[in-house]
This record gives sequence, C-alpha cells and structure tokens, in this order.
Amino acid sequence: AQSVAQPEDQVNVAEGNPLTVKCTYSVSGNPYLFWYVQYPNRGLQFLLKYITGDNLVKGSYGFEAEFNKSQTSFHLKKPSALVSDSALYFCAVRALAYSGAGSYQLTFGKGTKLSVIP
Amino acid sequence: EAGVTQFPSHSVIEKGQTVTLRCDPISGHDNLYWYRRVMGKEIKFLLHFVKESKQDESGMPNNRFLAERTGGTYSTLKVQPAELEDSGVYFCASSQDHWPAGTLNTEAFFGQGTRLTVV
Repeated sequence: AQSVAQPEDQVNVAEGNPLTVKCTYSVSGNPYLFWYVQYPNRGLQFLLKYITGDNLVKGSYGFEAEFNKSQTSFHLKKPSALVSDSALYFCAVRALAYSGAGSYQLTFGKGTKLSVIP
Repeated sequence: EAGVTQFPSHSVIEKGQTVTLRCDPISGHDNLYWYRRVMGKEIKFLLHFVKESKQDESGMPNNRFLAERTGGTYSTLKVQPAELEDSGVYFCASSQDHWPAGTLNTEAFFGQGTRLTVV
C-alpha cells in the first residue's frame, strides 16, 4: 500500500528566509511524486513532479523539490519565501509503473500549512 | 484552455437530503477522478473513470454515493441520502494518461472543489 507522511502540520517562516516543507513516502517500485498547493478559497494547483532523472526538480513560483531515494523523501523548498506563498501544501505519490486498476490513485499526505510572516 | 471546473462551489444541505456535484474535466482528458478531503485529514481517492467507464471505485465510502460520466464528458457525484460525515471538500481531477499504459507519467489537474456541508 502507498502512503505519504507530512510530519509538520504547520510551518512558519519569515519572509525572505528559505523554506522547507517535508514529505516522506512509501510505494511499491519507483515513485511518481507530486507537490500540490491550495491557496485560500482556491482549488489544488500542481506545483511540480518527479518521475526520473535529476533529483532536484524545479516547479512553479520558484519552488523546487529534492528527491532522495535512500531516505524516501521529497522535500519541497524555496530559497526565499514570500508572504504570497502562504497556503496549504500537499505531497502526493503513486507508483510509476502500471500494475492494475488502482495504479492511477494518488495518495496524499495530510497537508502542511505554510505561513510566511512579513 | 479551460481547467477543470466544478459546480457548485459550496453546498449546505440537511441530513437526509440529496446533493449532486458536477465536474467538467479538461477537454480531451479521458481520465476523470473524484477525491474528497474531510476536514483536517488527507485527500482521499474516491473513484476513477476512463471515458464513461468506472475503472476503479475502490474509494467510494458506501452505496449512498453514485458517480456517473455519461458520454465520457462531464461527471456527476450524487450523495443520497446525505449524512453528517459526508461533509468535506470534494475535488475532481482529470489527466491525459492513456489506458492501459505501461508507464504513467502525466499529472492530474484539479478543480477548485465543492465544499459540502451537511447539517
């Protein structure tokens, strides 16, 4: 069974400081990993994904994520936080290879609320 | 290009009533998904359509939930009768993954969600 853990319910960071939102995962085989963001009163927006290749993936709004296979982690990062980055962030995983009808299911973490303080 | 759209954005109904949620996927996306987030918890998978066929409905909580996708275009999710525990945000998503596929490598695009409150 797939699972995602986001160990922090909330992350507070000062504007201009670097931010990290943590995510660890469990999946059979190679993972297909995602970060989504939900701004207040908005839907889920795709930020970035990892399939294969470079372990550092760049996404929208200056975000990047680092894939670490040995630690089964996919932490989201940004060098300099903006107040407008304040939102709810979700990490998600599914298996990369097809293995039946359930292969398409995304498994999400509980979400991490990021608050960037001016 | 229009994204995934959901209607209504909010719905407040009484326990025992019926509610129907609608999702219009991105044009050309064969795959359509429903997910739900109960307050403070994970976003959980409900079901997956490929065109008009249900491929995976393992996440549907019980037989009070009925999803359809007539003609392989928009989808509806009906809750009848609604219970208090059905409250949450219902998300719809679509993707271009081709069925069946040896490797899955396209992301799902989500709508803004329908916030359902059962009182």
